[in-house]
Amino acid sequence: KAGVTQTPRYLIKTRGQQVTLSCSPISGHRSVSWYQQTPGQGLQFLFEYFSETQRNKGNFPGRFSGRQFSNSRSEMNVSTLELGDSALYLCASSVGQGGDKNIQYFGAGTRLSVL
Amino acid sequence: GDSVTQMEGPVTLSEEAFLTINCTYTATGYPSLFWYVQYPGEGLQLLLKATKADDKGSNKGFEATYRKETTSFHLEKGSVQVSDSAVYFCALSGYNKLIFGAGTRLAVHP
Repeated sequence: KAGVTQTPRYLIKTRGQQVTLSCSPISGHRSVSWYQQTPGQGLQFLFEYFSETQRNKGNFPGRFSGRQFSNSRSEMNVSTLELGDSALYLCASSVGQGGDKNIQYFGAGTRLSVL
Repeated sequence: GDSVTQMEGPVTLSEEAFLTINCTYTATGYPSLFWYVQYPGEGLQLLLKATKADDKGSNKGFEATYRKETTSFHLEKGSVQVSDSAVYFCALSGYNKLIFGAGTRLAVHP
């Protein structure tokens, strides 16, 4: 079974631009979560989607948004990029309900650099 | 709120040494607990998990026991290898999310 796939792996943007990151979950998984990883703040939760509905959201500004499609694929968007948005963005998928709902499997991440 | 505290790294060991990475947590309710590992340039890999008190998770020679009385989930391995060099994250399950510790870097030398 294929794992979680994130595209692109690397991105370079300039301040003020916007960016869209993509995540394809493991087949059969209906939940997708996004995390931001930086050296200073560690791993921080952005948001979680289940069956196209956002169930939980972290403490990030409104410039960070996401969505999930009917095939469970997810995208996250960051508008008006700032230097501090430079980070590794990780996507994770899980079944989303039942006994294994908390077990999350991660993709390799998208490394975003804002210049 | 819920939180996870890990011992600070880096932890530097010789090959075949015994490893312990401490992890304690604060949580309301009864979360599941996890250890993830991150190799350079990669995402997180689930190493092991435990879903209730006294459960022992194990994988690839690593073990951790869910201790409710001490709110701990320490990671152990009896004999580390150079290939175990990575960053290890302890995590607990929150409301439809994972809450991570700061990570502990392990370096194993031949």
